[in-house]
Amino acid sequence: AQKVTQAQTEISVVEKEDVTLDCVYETRDTTYYLFWYKQPPSGELVFLIRRNSFDEQNEISGRYSWNFQKSTSSFNFTITASQVVDSAVYFCALSATGGGNKLTFGTGTQLKVEL
Amino acid sequence: EAGVAQSPRYKIIEKRQSVAFWCNPISGHATLYWYQQILGQGPKLLIQFQNNGVVDDSQLPKDRFSAERLKGVDSTLKIQPAKLEDSAVYLCASSPRTSGYYNEQFFGPGTRLTVL
Repeated sequence: AQKVTQAQTEISVVEKEDVTLDCVYETRDTTYYLFWYKQPPSGELVFLIRRNSFDEQNEISGRYSWNFQKSTSSFNFTITASQVVDSAVYFCALSATGGGNKLTFGTGTQLKVEL
Repeated sequence: EAGVAQSPRYKIIEKRQSVAFWCNPISGHATLYWYQQILGQGPKLLIQFQNNGVVDDSQLPKDRFSAERLKGVDSTLKIQPAKLEDSAVYLCASSPRTSGYYNEQFFGPGTRLTVL
C-alpha cells in the first residue's frame, strides 16, 4: 500500500522567513515518483516538481528547494525568503507501480505568509 | 496551450438529486483522471481513463457514481443520487503519458459541489 504523510496541517510565517514543509512516504516498490503540488485559493493544483526514486540529488529552483532522503523516506520542500504569494496548500504525492501508478496524495499543509 | 477545462465551477443541489460534471482535457492527452477532494484532505482518485477505456475505477462508488469518456476526449462524471458526504471539489486532470510511473498530471480548476 502507498501512503503519504504530511504531519504539518498549517504553518504561519512572516514574509522573508524560510519555511520547510515535511513529507514522509511509504511504499514497498523500489521504483516510484514523488511530487509536490501547490493549490492556491483558486483551487487549481499546480505541479511544482517530480523526483524519481533513483535520483537522490537535491534540487533548487529559484526560491524553492527539495531534499529527498530515501534513508528516512522523506521528501521535504523548503521555500527561502517566503512571499505572500506563496500562501497556499501544498501537497506531496507518490506514484508507484504497487499503487497502480495513480497519485496518492498527503493531506496537505496550509502555508500562510503574512506581511 | 489551453489547460484542462471543467464546468460548472460551482453546483449546489439537494440530497437525492442528480448532478453531472464535464471535463475537457488538454488536447492530445490520452489519460484522464477524476479526483474527489473533500475539505481538508488530499485529492483521491475516483477513475482513470486511457483514451476511452477505464484503467482504474477501484475507488469509484459505483452504486451512485458513473463516468464516461466519449471518443477518448471529453469526459462526464455523474452522481445519482447524491448524498451529503459527496460534498467536495471534483478535480479533472489529464496526462500525456499512457503508461509507466511518470505521472505528471495537469489539473483543471475543479467543480465545487455542495449537497444540502
